[in-house]
Amino acid sequence: DAGVIQSPRHEVTEMGQEVTLRCKPISGHNSLFWYRQTMMRGLELLIYFNNNVPIDDSGMPEDRFSAKMPNASFSTLKIQPSEPRDSAVYFCASSLGQGYSYEQYFGPGTRLTVT
Amino acid sequence: DQQVKQNSPSLSVQEGRISILNCDYTNSMFDYFLWYKKYPAEGPTFLISISSIKDKNEDGRFTVFLNKSAKHLSLHIVPSQPGDSAVYFCAAGDTGTASKLTFGTGTRLQVTL
Repeated sequence: DAGVIQSPRHEVTEMGQEVTLRCKPISGHNSLFWYRQTMMRGLELLIYFNNNVPIDDSGMPEDRFSAKMPNASFSTLKIQPSEPRDSAVYFCASSLGQGYSYEQYFGPGTRLTVT
Repeated sequence: DQQVKQNSPSLSVQEGRISILNCDYTNSMFDYFLWYKKYPAEGPTFLISISSIKDKNEDGRFTVFLNKSAKHLSLHIVPSQPGDSAVYFCAAGDTGTASKLTFGTGTRLQVTL
């Protein structure tokens, strides 16, 4: 398996622009997670899905952030409008889900820079 | 509030010696714990885990110890190798909340020659 795939790997955008990050989880995994990594807060969970359904979005910082999972093999994280403080590395991870394994497999991340 | 804490942002150890990375948690509902390793420009990769029914789990050079009463876990790497230089994240989960994990802020380990 190719592992978790994220695109783009790097994104540079101007403040106010819309940003869309994409993730393809490992085939057969039932849970998908979006994280943000910052120096101050480490790996911060933004939202997670079980069987394509959002379960907990309490980590989404503001209404500017939204996430979707239209099917088992694709998810997006959108920031609209983007702000400089959104600059961070965003990771997507997937796992087999509750009752199977709690180990999460991470993608390589998207480094977002908002100027 | 930071439910999982790694109070040492960095650690430097000589090659061949033992590396000890520490992690504290506050949520008594956590019942399984994992360590992840992260190299620059890569995603974190799973290293080793332990459930609350155990106090020790070993995998080659890596051993995780869990002290439930102190709400503390540690990762021991023996012997340390230069390739172990990375950021190590501690993570904790509660089987009652699906597969959600709470991560610490990470400890950067540098293994020197």
